[in-house]
Formats: sequence, C-alpha cells, structure tokens
Amino acid sequence: SQTIHQWPATLVQPVGSPLSLECTVEGTSNPNLYWYRQAAGRGLQLLFYSVGIGQISSEVPQNLSASRPQDRQFILSSKKLLLSDSGFYLCAWAFSGTGGYSNQPQHFGDGTRLSIL
Amino acid sequence: AQKVTQAQTEISVVEKEDVTLDCVYETRDTTYYLFWYKQPPSGELVFLIRRNSFDEQNEISGRYSWNFQKSTSSFNFTITASQVVDSAVYFCALSATTSGTYKYIFGTGTRLKVLA
Repeated sequence: SQTIHQWPATLVQPVGSPLSLECTVEGTSNPNLYWYRQAAGRGLQLLFYSVGIGQISSEVPQNLSASRPQDRQFILSSKKLLLSDSGFYLCAWAFSGTGGYSNQPQHFGDGTRLSIL
Repeated sequence: AQKVTQAQTEISVVEKEDVTLDCVYETRDTTYYLFWYKQPPSGELVFLIRRNSFDEQNEISGRYSWNFQKSTSSFNFTITASQVVDSAVYFCALSATTSGTYKYIFGTGTRLKVLA
C-alpha cells in the first residue's frame, strides 16, 4: 500500500528566514505530487504540482518554490518568508494522469502548520 | 470554466440527526469526476468517494450516502444518524478536462459540527 510522509508537523519561523518542507511517498512509482496551502478557515489553494522528476508547474505567483529531486520526493522552499506565507501546507499524491492533473483521488499527508512571526 | 460551490459554510446538528452537505458544480465537459473529502480537526484530508459523470447511481456506504444528479449539477452528501466523530470540514472537488488536461478544483468546504 502507499503512504505519504510530510514533515515537520509544525514550524514557527521569523519573517525573512528560509523554508524547507519535505514530502515523500512510498509504495508507488511516478506519482503526481501536489503542494497546497490552506489559510485558517479557508479552502485549499493549489501551489505547485509535479508529473515527474524535475518537472514543476506553478499555479499562482508567490514567494515559494518547489522541487522534485527524486521520483517520490517533493520539497517546498522559500528563500525569505513573508507574514502572508503563514498557513497550513498539505502535500498530496495521486496516480499519474494526463498533463499533471488526474481523475484519480488525491491522498494527503498530515500537513505542516507554519507560523511566521 | 470549472467551478465547485459549497454554499453551506457551517452546519450544526445534534447527534443522531441526519445532515446533507450540498455541492454544486459547473463544467462544460462531458467527462468529469466528482469527489468528497473529509478534513477532521487533526488536519489531513481523507478521500471518501469518487464518481464519474457517466454513473448517476447513488451510493451508500454505511451511514454515508451520495446523491449525484446531473440535471441539477449537484453531488450531495448525506450522513445518517450523525455522530460526534463526523465533526469535520468536508470538501467537494471536481476533476474535469481542459484541452485534454484534467483540472482538479476544490470547493471552499463545509464545516460540520455534531453536538452530543
């Protein structure tokens, strides 16, 4: 069976500091991978998705970047955090589909609560 | 353009009551998929169900049931005899093709509070 691991669970960072959130998937090959952000009490905003190693698509312009150095590893980064980067970050995977999106269900990690001070 | 509307921001019910969460979608595609996810207080989203646009049969899984009606573009979710453990935010999602690429869109969610 497939599992997804996301860490850290919580993170408190000062404004202007760098960020690295990591997500790994086990039990499947060449999954589609996604990063979402959820502001408090709000819906999900898709930030990035990836259909393969080194292939990243950005959905919205922002202060963040993503990388996929290995097939089942997805990293969310920032060089300098802003107050507006606070939120709940979720990583998800799905079986691969056309063009990065998929008609398959997405399976989510436990999320990272990021607070910027 | 694709869109998912969950008009109910928050619903409160007393335990053992039945509750229906509404989901209305918009798409011009004839092939699409609809999903429901549950987000408990712990935060992770849990996949509940997927339906494709060619299958309008209603589905029942224990206390959960889903009513898919293409005529009204709705995919509503009913919980029968609600329990406190059902308290969560529920998201409806749509996956539809845009020029051959499936686009995945979430609604804004409905927060369900089940009171003991």
